[in-house]
Amino acid sequence: NAGVIQTPRHKVTGKGQEATLWCEPISGHSAVFWYRQTIVQGLEFLTYFRNQAPIDDSGMPKERFSAQMPNQSHSTLKIQSTQPQDSAVYLCASSLVQNNERLFFGHGTKLSVL
Amino acid sequence: GQQVQQSPASLVLQEGENAELQCNFSSTATQLQWFYQSPGGSLVSLLSNPSGTKHTGRLTSTTVTKERRSSLHISSSQTTDSGTYLCAPHTGNYKYVFGAGTRLKVIA
Repeated sequence: NAGVIQTPRHKVTGKGQEATLWCEPISGHSAVFWYRQTIVQGLEFLTYFRNQAPIDDSGMPKERFSAQMPNQSHSTLKIQSTQPQDSAVYLCASSLVQNNERLFFGHGTKLSVL
Repeated sequence: GQQVQQSPASLVLQEGENAELQCNFSSTATQLQWFYQSPGGSLVSLLSNPSGTKHTGRLTSTTVTKERRSSLHISSSQTTDSGTYLCAPHTGNYKYVFGAGTRLKVIA
């Protein structure tokens, strides 16, 4: 079991460019989460899928952020027209949906917007 | 929405001392997890404890659901325990809300 895999580990974009982040959840996990971590804001919830369906995207900045889960083996987070304030570590996590389920996090993608 | 407060913000211990970390949250939680994050490292779930007392290794967590608080006790701390400990409850919607964490440093 390779755990949750996130690619790339680091991404540098220029202001206004697009960034696409990839996540491969643990096989068999039906829930996938995206979080963002910064020193100032800490860990912020972005969005959550269950069985590939979007359940809660209340943490997503609506205008430029979008997330998809086209199949059970991967999810993507796309940021259009990146801004310096988007610089953060973007974390993907997966879990089984059952009592006392544990969240398993990937190593994250560090996005730097210049 | 759910607010999570963790205390202390930071803690320095001598190796072998015990640590007591606190987590208070504003809404009743149906699930709560404690996580560990090493400096520059990824988040690792330590244990899941929505209510009562749970033990794993040198860790003991006690959650009092109706008082909306949880604690994490680390016994006989080791230098490898250094890092940030985060508490994350959710209210039944699987939307885990994280506290700011307690930064622990254990000195040899």
